[in-house]
Amino acid sequence: NAGVTQTPKFQVLKTGQSMTLQCAQDMNHNSMYWYRQDPGMGLRLIYYSASEGTTDKGEVPNGYNVSRLNKREFSLRLESAAPSQTSVYFCASSEGRWIQYFGAGTRLSVL
Amino acid sequence: SQQGEEDPQALSIQEGENATMNCSYKTSINNLQWYRQNSGRGLVHLILIRSNEREKHSGRLRVTLDTSKKSSSLLITASRAADTASYFCATDAGGGADGLTFGKGTHLIIQP
Repeated sequence: NAGVTQTPKFQVLKTGQSMTLQCAQDMNHNSMYWYRQDPGMGLRLIYYSASEGTTDKGEVPNGYNVSRLNKREFSLRLESAAPSQTSVYFCASSEGRWIQYFGAGTRLSVL
Repeated sequence: SQQGEEDPQALSIQEGENATMNCSYKTSINNLQWYRQNSGRGLVHLILIRSNEREKHSGRLRVTLDTSKKSSSLLITASRAADTASYFCATDAGGGADGLTFGKGTHLIIQP
C-alpha cells in the first residue's frame, strides 16, 4: 500500500522556469492538500481540494496553480518559478477533515 | 497565519526520560492533532484529540487539551533514540476553509 506518492523527490530550477509537482494517493480519499515547509515556519497550506473537481486557495496560493485531475491525483504547478519558492513541498490526503496522510515531499531549489 | 505555537522550539533529553512539549493556539477548534516528522521525511499522524476531550493516550503518548487556555501538551514517556524527530501540533478550526493549521514544531533530540 503506497499511500501518498510524490514526484519528483528533488528538483532544481532556474528563475522563470516552470514545473509541475505530481501527487497521487491510493486510499480513495476525497480531500487532498498541498503544503510548503520552510525553515522555522512550519507547514503552510497552498491549495486544497475537498473533492474531485473542486479546488480552493489556502494561506499562500500566490505563484501556484493546481489541478485535481481525478480522485487520485492532485498536481501543483509553478508557472514562473522564483527564488522565494525554494522550499519543501508536501502533498497530503484525508477522508473529510480528520487525519491527514503525507507524502515524502519534494525538495525544490530555485536559483 | 500560524495557529499553533509549540514550546519549546528544541528539547534534548536522555534516553529513558520523559519528554513534554506544549502547543498553544489562538481560535476555537474542532480538534487538535499531533504529528511527527523524522529528518527528511513526511509527517506522520500520532494522535487526535477532539475539542470535547481532555486527555487521550496512545501507547507511550499522552495528550491533554485545555480549551479554556487554548493549549495542549504531548508527553512521550520512556523516550527512545527513535523518538528523535520534530513534533507538530495541528488544529482544525472548522468553518469553510479546509486543511490543518500547523505550528512551527518542537525538535526533540534523544541522547543515547
